[in-house]
Amino acid sequence: GNSVTQMEGPVTLSEEAFLTINCTYTATGYPSLFWYVQYPGEGLQLLLKATKADDKGSNKGFEATYRKETTSFHLEKGSVQVSDSAVYFCALNSGGYQKVTFGIGTKLQVIP
Amino acid sequence: GAVVSQHPSRVICKSGTSVKIECRSLDFQATTMFWYRQFPKQSLMLMATSNEGSKATYEQGVEKDKFLINHASLTLSTLTVTSAHPEDSSFYICSARVETGVPPFNSPLHFGNGTRLTVT
Repeated sequence: GNSVTQMEGPVTLSEEAFLTINCTYTATGYPSLFWYVQYPGEGLQLLLKATKADDKGSNKGFEATYRKETTSFHLEKGSVQVSDSAVYFCALNSGGYQKVTFGIGTKLQVIP
Repeated sequence: GAVVSQHPSRVICKSGTSVKIECRSLDFQATTMFWYRQFPKQSLMLMATSNEGSKATYEQGVEKDKFLINHASLTLSTLTVTSAHPEDSSFYICSARVETGVPPFNSPLHFGNGTRLTVT
């Protein structure tokens, strides 16, 4: 079955530091990959997505590249801000199925 | 666009009572909606898939009689926690995707803001 492995947090960074949150997956077929972000007390929001190999999703300074050879979709940002403090979820779906498989979520704390 | 509204955002109820949570797609129709439960260490558990006009599909281990799901229209799904107990206290989140007629795996989910349920 499908699965998503994501680094456990919390990840604590100083403002303007470089961020990487690792995500690897196993899936049947050719999945679409997503990063969602959850701010405190809220639901999840789509951050970025990629639907085929070598696609790069980007939004709000965050980027992730769909690497089929390494089955990875790592999230990066060059300079984090305090406002980026949130929980980040890597996710996929594939095979035309309705269900989305989520990683465990990584909590990011950015300190001034 | 593609807004999912969830209500209420917080609810406190006494043990043994029932609580209904509503999930609405405000600007699109959704034949399918998903209900998640989020645990303290942030992980999301899919509870069930809500299907408009038919029975919900529950994930293994989720009690159908305890978590009643109704999807009576293309824009509304409800989750009723029946005979709630303190262990049901959690953060419940619904989601849906815009169905465009092409394979669904390219479409992201849109989430409600969640409902914090506290059972005393």
